[in-house]
Amino acid sequence: AQSVTQLGSHVSVSEGALVLLRCNYSSSVPPYLFWYVQYPNQGLQLLLKYTSAATLVKGINGFEAEFKKSETSFHLTKPSAHMSDAAEYFCAVSDWYGNNRLAFGKGNQVVVIP
Amino acid sequence: GAGVSQSPSNKVTEKGKDVELRCDPISGHTALYWYRQSLGQGLEFLIYFQGNSAPDKSGLPSDRFSAERTGGSVSTLTIQRTQQEDSAVYLCASSVSGRDSTEQFFGPGTRLTVL
Repeated sequence: AQSVTQLGSHVSVSEGALVLLRCNYSSSVPPYLFWYVQYPNQGLQLLLKYTSAATLVKGINGFEAEFKKSETSFHLTKPSAHMSDAAEYFCAVSDWYGNNRLAFGKGNQVVVIP
Repeated sequence: GAGVSQSPSNKVTEKGKDVELRCDPISGHTALYWYRQSLGQGLEFLIYFQGNSAPDKSGLPSDRFSAERTGGSVSTLTIQRTQQEDSAVYLCASSVSGRDSTEQFFGPGTRLTVL
């Protein structure tokens, strides 16, 4: 089965500083990778996805992620953090059962410090 | 347009009782998923529907868990004889198809607390 690893459950970043959330995947086949964001008491919202069309993927709210096969990574970045970026972020991989079920990482709770 | 809705938003029950959780997917979405989000286990897949059939129910943790989908739309997740370890947020998602890489749209979840 495919899997993803996110390290550091809580991430603190100053407003205006770089946001970097790390995701490493394990997959025996070319993966489909996703980043989702979850705001308090809400469902998950797709930030961006990698489907092999381009290694640098741009998403909503100024986020982007780069797929690096050699490092089996799909790290999420945003150049300048905003207070509204405080949320939980999940990396996920399509689990290749042919039905798009997702396997999620443990998540990163992002705190933005004014 | 309307997104995925779930009801109830919160459910508190006593150990041993049965509960039903409802999901209304986006109209026209043929694929529907249930996931469970808990502190200890993170986000876990439970079951996948394509239309009214459930070709993948491998994530259901025990035979106390069952789900159905009717009319290719509404789905109900039923937990019988609830246990405290069933306490979690149950998330429903739908997508246009079950094809890999297709975006899944998530509902706000049902928070289940088993006392």
